[in-house]
This record gives sequence, structure tokens and C-alpha cells, in this order.
Amino acid sequence: GAGVSQSPSNKVTEKGKDVELRCDPISGHTALYWYRQSLGQGLEFLIYFQGNSAPDKSGLPSDRFSAERTGGSVSTLTIQRTQQEDSAVYLCASSYPRPGTGNTEAFFGQGTRLTVV
Amino acid sequence: TQLLEQSPQFLSIQEGENLTVYCNSSSVFSSLQWYRQEPGEGPVLLVTVVTGGEVKKLKRLTFQFGDARKDSSLHITAAQTGDTGLYLCAGLRVGGSEKLVFGKGTKLTVNP
Repeated sequence: GAGVSQSPSNKVTEKGKDVELRCDPISGHTALYWYRQSLGQGLEFLIYFQGNSAPDKSGLPSDRFSAERTGGSVSTLTIQRTQQEDSAVYLCASSYPRPGTGNTEAFFGQGTRLTVV
Repeated sequence: TQLLEQSPQFLSIQEGENLTVYCNSSSVFSSLQWYRQEPGEGPVLLVTVVTGGEVKKLKRLTFQFGDARKDSSLHITAAQTGDTGLYLCAGLRVGGSEKLVFGKGTKLTVNP
């Protein structure tokens, strides 16, 4: 596809269960971000992947959250033992940084709405 | 500590009014971007500013990058209901990584 694809678009899970959220970035984009957005709020940074560098995990809220990016393409965000406060929209974005140009447009998916009941 | 501070956090105005939202930092940025997010969608890029003092216009929207490249503003003239959304600024910090840093956003509601 031409854009960033996220799946599933909606996920309802029971408290305590594990969930996996998937992001397919735009082909060729080396940078990939995960953000969390609570209802009516701004973006909360979770994790950043850039090429083969070690990911920036500084935004992950607890050790229940993890993410991986296989082959520099698809990424999976995993939340273990989900809690009700994990309910939010999880957004993925990808970009192709061009150093020195200031051009690092981030393209976002439509998000996965996670509801923990 | 938030690297990019946006203000106001919420803004509710009537159609036809003008407004300005701000994005401020103590750090210098090589570029700043503004995104708009509509309900149920991901944010979409509106503009990128790269030169200190730069002004860009997009129809009724005017974007300005501060001379010192530490701040930016977005001014909307004669707001319309279609302008409703979350406005986010994002930037590449000088001396930082290639990671885009986002502000928390300004939620704008334009009432008919």
C-alpha cells in the first residue's frame, strides 16, 4: 500500500491479557515511531526505530510494553498483562530522514484503538 | 520535561474569528513542522519551516519560525468549522538525533 498500515483498527481485550499491535510502514522508510494517544489528548512518545541503530525506548511506560522491528520493516508493539489505563489509540508513523535538509515528514497510520475491559 | 511546549492546550472559538497557537522551546531546532489531526485519523503534515524568521502561508494559515529557531506560531485567519482538530508541532533538535520531537498539541474547536 501507499501509506502506513496498522492492524487491527480496533481491539477489545480483557484485563490481564496480552495484545500485539502491528504496523506496516511505507516501503523504504528507515525511521518508525510508536505513539499513544488518550481520548482528546496529545501524542505520547513510546519508542523510535532508526535503521539498524538501537531503538530509543525512553518513552515506554513500563516493562509490560515492548516493541520490535523485523528486517527494518514491519513493527509489532506488544503489551503484556493489559490494564484498563492502557486503553488508548496507538499510532504508528514512519519517515525517511534526509540529514541536513530538515525534511523528516512523518506519515501516520490511522491507529489501533485499544480498549481494555 | 516537555521539549516542545504548545499553548494554549485547548481553544474554542466562533467561526470567523482569528487565532494564534504557539510552539516554544529552550532548544534550537533545525526545522519545525506543523501537523493537523482530525478525529479518527492520524496527524497529517501541514508545513515545514527551516530558516529562522521564515514565514509560510497556506491559504488562511500563516506559519512563522522564530529568528532564533526556538519557537514557531500558527495563525489562522477567519477560522472555519473545518479547521477543527488537534494541531501538533514537531521538530528536529540541533545536536540531537534524527528523531522528531512532538509537542502535546493544541485542540482547536471552531463553533458555527
